[in-house]
Amino acid sequence: GAGVSQSPSNKVTEKGKDVELRCDPISGHTALYWYRQSLGQGLEFLIYFQGNSAPDKSGLPSDRFSAERTGGSVSTLTIQRTQQEDSAVYLCASSLGYRAGEKLFFGSGTQLSVL
Amino acid sequence: TQLLEQSPQFLSIQEGENLTVYCNSSSVFSSLQWYRQEPGEGPVLLVTVVTGGEVKKLKRLTFQFGDARKDSSLHITAAQPGDTGLYLCAGARKTSYDKVIFGPGTSLSVIP
Repeated sequence: GAGVSQSPSNKVTEKGKDVELRCDPISGHTALYWYRQSLGQGLEFLIYFQGNSAPDKSGLPSDRFSAERTGGSVSTLTIQRTQQEDSAVYLCASSLGYRAGEKLFFGSGTQLSVL
Repeated sequence: TQLLEQSPQFLSIQEGENLTVYCNSSSVFSSLQWYRQEPGEGPVLLVTVVTGGEVKKLKRLTFQFGDARKDSSLHITAAQPGDTGLYLCAGARKTSYDKVIFGPGTSLSVIP
């Protein structure tokens, strides 16, 4: 595809339910990032992938959050037993390589609302 | 604790005015980037600076990287309503294989 694609664009769920958020990066991009953004705020780093491996998981807020990337392409962020404080926009980005200063290409995000 | 701080948090100015926003850290960064984000969209890269003291210009926008590579500034000349958005600085501390962290952003509103 032409850009980073995220689905769904909006997700409304009930407290306690599990949700899966999907990210399709730009073809050939080896690095993939997940961020969380609350209304009007900056981006909170969650996790990033080099290929299929995630060398830094320190940004995940709790053990209810997990992420995987298969085949060096699609990534899924899973939130188990969702809580109201999980409500936010979840943004995915990809970059061609791993050098500092590589351009990050962002998707439009998934707006998660936990009722 | 934020590794990257930005100021001001909010800025509302009249069209045609000049402004500067700042990005500061106590850590050294190998590169700093500035992104602009509009509502409902992901951030879009404006510029990357990698050399201490570096100055880059993009039309009416001027970006500077501090000599010690701990801070950066974005100056906009003669702001236009189209400049309205959330301005985010982002950095990586290592030269490769490192996460990119973002500051909290400066929300700019340019009033016609």
